[in-house]
Amino acid sequence: DQQVKQNSPSLSVQEGRISILNCDYTNSMFDYFLWYKKYPAEGPTFLISISSIKDKNEDGRFTVFLNKSAKHLSLHIVPSQPGDSAVYFCAASSFLPGANSKLTFGKGITLSVRP
Amino acid sequence: DTEVTQTPKHLVMGMTNKKSLKCEQHMGHRAMYWYKQKAKKPPELMFVYSYEKLSINESVPSRFSPECPNSSLLNLHLHALQPEDSALYLCASSQGGGRSSRNTIYFGEGSWLTVV
Repeated sequence: DQQVKQNSPSLSVQEGRISILNCDYTNSMFDYFLWYKKYPAEGPTFLISISSIKDKNEDGRFTVFLNKSAKHLSLHIVPSQPGDSAVYFCAASSFLPGANSKLTFGKGITLSVRP
Repeated sequence: DTEVTQTPKHLVMGMTNKKSLKCEQHMGHRAMYWYKQKAKKPPELMFVYSYEKLSINESVPSRFSPECPNSSLLNLHLHALQPEDSALYLCASSQGGGRSSRNTIYFGEGSWLTVV
């Protein structure tokens, strides 16, 4: 049973435009969500997170939106740059990552930004 | 500095070998993790250590044996592995406890394991 779903396996956008990566979850106990970026042959790199008490968190070009009622979150990258081309994982946990916590990952979305 | 260092980056071992993967962090984090990632799949949790004690074991076969010698180090001892255990093994750490918005899990670059 997939508790974190990234239904689109890939996304291609033009440089300078907005990239919108979507993620849905089924477990209502999840209350902390993270986005990771992963290049081939490297470990995931943390991008941005959001707790369930917020509906938006922004960090530079990256903004994450959370709609708890719809169990949906999205990552917006604007403007998109060729260096953003990577696999993006959505992850969720039932409390703030730390001792005794577990991240559940989605399958990932491959983002390609065209020059 | 958010660095988690893993060695070796690549490891090839036979099914009768005994080897170890090593992980180190100097961020003062008190929670450390082992994840396994197969090609085109998301990372899957194997073990969690909290304050140097094993707190979560996701029903991992005993041929994988974790060890946390101190708060900065995490090892994964490998013995009698199978070819299907070939994967990217990721170590991660987090501050552990507290309700800080920056209590995020940071990953190392991983160790590529091939079992022949």
